[in-house]
Amino acid sequence: GQNIDQPTEMTATEGAIVQINCTYQTSGFNGLFWYQQHAGEAPTFLSYNVLDGLEEKGRFSSFLSRSKGYSYLLLKELQMKDSASYLCAVMDSNYQLIWGAGTKLIIKP
Amino acid sequence: NAGVTQTPKFRVLKTGQSMTLLCAQDMNHEYMYWYRQDPGMGLRLIHYSVGEGTTAKGEVPDGYNVSRLKKQNFLLGLESAAPSQTSVYFCASAGTSGEGGDTQYFGPGTRLTVL
Repeated sequence: GQNIDQPTEMTATEGAIVQINCTYQTSGFNGLFWYQQHAGEAPTFLSYNVLDGLEEKGRFSSFLSRSKGYSYLLLKELQMKDSASYLCAVMDSNYQLIWGAGTKLIIKP
Repeated sequence: NAGVTQTPKFRVLKTGQSMTLLCAQDMNHEYMYWYRQDPGMGLRLIHYSVGEGTTAKGEVPDGYNVSRLKKQNFLLGLESAAPSQTSVYFCASAGTSGEGGDTQYFGPGTRLTVL
């Protein structure tokens, strides 16, 4: 079966750095997406990786290792507004997104 | 541009009642999706459409029907609601299937409770 694993909840301090991991087993791979979802709101796109390596976008970076079935999202200089759930999703061989349950990130002052 | 809109935002149904959720997008996207989101689970695809007049089943299609009569609208129907269909329903649209990282844009969601 297809499976996306990510931690349920993480806590970090304002101004610090946090890494959210995602491991996956899917039938085929056509890219990995990270979305942010604030409580009660819709998911919004953060990043996309299809080749191995690091993609940097401002305070957020995303890394992919296809051979290990592994990705992480790195958030730097954490702000209170970064408190949200972070969803990892893999596009399978049918170009359908398989979603993880999300990681709830709590930022403390 | 409004992006992706959904109506209604909230709804309470009794078991056995029917209803239709409406999704509209103004981005001229070909692809549209209906997901449900339940606590502790990832988003699950109910049905999707790759263009006007087409629909296809996703991971959890039972108990739901869809129609895409116009390119900008995607309707999700519950013919006979059950408590197991209590969930948050999200509609999404995309210009392509996702190749090249084309992202899905989500509507604000519909919170449905079935008593």
